[in-house]
Amino acid sequence: DAEITQSPRHKITETGRQVTLACHQTWNHNNMFWYRQDLGHGLRLIHYSYGVQDTNKGEVSDGYSVSRSNTEDLPLTLESAASSQTSVYFCASSDPSGTSYEQYFGPGTRLTVT
Amino acid sequence: GEDVEQSLFLSVREGDSSVINCTYTDSSSTYLYWYKQEPGAGLQLLTYIFSNMDMKQDQRLTVLLNKKDKHLSLRIADTQTGDSAIYFCAPGAGGGNKLTFGTGTQLKVEL
Repeated sequence: DAEITQSPRHKITETGRQVTLACHQTWNHNNMFWYRQDLGHGLRLIHYSYGVQDTNKGEVSDGYSVSRSNTEDLPLTLESAASSQTSVYFCASSDPSGTSYEQYFGPGTRLTVT
Repeated sequence: GEDVEQSLFLSVREGDSSVINCTYTDSSSTYLYWYKQEPGAGLQLLTYIFSNMDMKQDQRLTVLLNKKDKHLSLRIADTQTGDSAIYFCAPGAGGGNKLTFGTGTQLKVEL
């Protein structure tokens, strides 16, 4: 079955370290998204991509970067981790040629920055 | 950008109806989604409505859309303990493009 996976599921890191969160989908979807979830803020869009070599900033992109070298993967990098980036991170993908245009979500990565 | 507002908490008794409300600002939203998040999991699509519809019914779920007031609601009939979750409203332009999610409403179902 096609799926979307995230790794690691849990990560503890120190302030100032570079961290990369992986997202891999097997649906061959062109569209991929990264969100962070914080209490009282819901899901906020960090970065998104509509295809290989395409990346766009979302509403909370400062301190994060992404690259899209193939259809299946959209890794999220925190250049220099800060305590404010402690959060749960979700990756999602969607098919722009679908009917409902549903976004399919991964299980999430819980990141703690100490 | 789009603003999407939801109340944070809702508590109902098992068997009662639940109504979760959402207001949004972008009148060009074409698809309006409701996602459900169970504890420790990612979001899953619950239902959605096209902007040219006023109502959509899907088993125990009823979605109402008031485009004039930019108000969306989700009614769950005969609410069960398994419905306890966080519910997110997300208006979008369709095409699988980016969505703006509301803050989420945590539904607690009490016996």
